[in-house]
Amino acid sequence: GENVEQHPSTLSVQEGDSAVIKCTYSDSASNYFPWYKQELGKGPQLIIDIRSNVGEKKDQRIAVTLNKTAKHFSLHITETQPEDSAVYFCAAKKMNTGFQKLVFGTGTRLLVSP
Amino acid sequence: GAVVSQHPSRVICKSGTSVKIECRSLDFQATTMFWYRQFPKQSLMLMATSNEGSKATYEQGVEKDKFLINHASLTLSTLTVTSAHPEDSSFYICSAFPGTANEKLFFGSGTQLSVL
Repeated sequence: GENVEQHPSTLSVQEGDSAVIKCTYSDSASNYFPWYKQELGKGPQLIIDIRSNVGEKKDQRIAVTLNKTAKHFSLHITETQPEDSAVYFCAAKKMNTGFQKLVFGTGTRLLVSP
Repeated sequence: GAVVSQHPSRVICKSGTSVKIECRSLDFQATTMFWYRQFPKQSLMLMATSNEGSKATYEQGVEKDKFLINHASLTLSTLTVTSAHPEDSSFYICSAFPGTANEKLFFGSGTQLSVL
């Protein structure tokens, strides 16, 4: 089955710096990769996703890159702000299959200091 | 994005009681709903997959008689923790899937269960 590894587990940056979180997946058949932001005591919120037919996707300060050959995908946050502080999870799944089961990474706790 | 409503947000109960958690998709019909459990500072662990009108599919190691799931309509799924014990204390999160035309998965706000 699919296995998703995520690094780093914690990341501390100064406000205005960039933050990068990396994930690797094991199943080459996976073709959909969402990223979720989870604030304390809340459910995960989808912030960006990418399908395997593209290599990069950007939405304002957030971007995701995908390297299918290496089975790597990364989240890039530029000009970080204190409100970006949260736990970020990457995930992977195969589209159009059965129950659409997502496999999550272990999470990255991002702390943005003013 | 689509809205998934989960209630209650927090529940405290005595050991031995049962607790029901509701998950509703507010602006779309969810053919499939998922229930997750999350311990502090850990990732989400899938407990079961719920399809409307059929029995839930449980992940290995999850007791189906302990965690009863009902998906009676396309907008509502419930998780009942039966005879709760302190070790069942956790953050429970539901998610809903609109259908194959939309791959995105949306999550509820979670329920913090504390069993005394």
